[in-house]
Amino acid sequence: AQKITQTQPGMFVQEKEAVTLDCTYDTSDQSYGLFWYKQPSSGEMIFLIYQGSYDEQNATEGRYSLNFQKARKSANLVISASQLGDSAMYFCAMRETGNQFYFGTGTSLTVIP
Amino acid sequence: DTEVTQTPKHLVMGMTNKKSLKCEQHMGHRAMYWYKQKAKKPPELMFVYSYEKLSINESVPSRFSPECPNSSLLNLHLHALQPEDSALYLCASSQLLPGQGGEQYFGPGTRLTVT
Repeated sequence: AQKITQTQPGMFVQEKEAVTLDCTYDTSDQSYGLFWYKQPSSGEMIFLIYQGSYDEQNATEGRYSLNFQKARKSANLVISASQLGDSAMYFCAMRETGNQFYFGTGTSLTVIP
Repeated sequence: DTEVTQTPKHLVMGMTNKKSLKCEQHMGHRAMYWYKQKAKKPPELMFVYSYEKLSINESVPSRFSPECPNSSLLNLHLHALQPEDSALYLCASSQLLPGQGGEQYFGPGTRLTVT
């Protein structure tokens, strides 16, 4: 089974609007971490936000927030007030106990002026 | 400082060449990773080093040979590559933690073309 599932291959959002990128995960571990990365066309993977499995509050970092629903095993990324520079691939990832990270297939976000 | 550096940024090599990719971090991270990434696909894990020892090898062909000379450096030696090995090669590092957390920081990558 896939550890991380991203069901939206491509998304469009109007500039200044909010957008939600979906991510569901599969693990039997009690302790795990969830991450979102942004990859512009330049290729660098940029760390955006982290949510720990024991964190009771949703993580926020500036315009990024993570909507963590543990019972549903979902960790959706919300980008508020979209900007043209937000156009990129977005990957959801999970780390269980250990050093291996599991990545989803990614969502390509395009911000329309 | 959350910087991971990689050299070279671009590399074109023939199938008989030997070349090396280099990666460096100074964040004190004791886990370092090599990934291969094709366009529009997620990164594929190749190798993981923990405390400078190879801990994960994802059945990578022997034409890729990793090396971790010290806690800050990671190399990937390339020999007799095939055209299908053309890809973006990403290096990353993270903290070693017993449980959750410890995000990976990635370098800018090396775009490799095998001719």
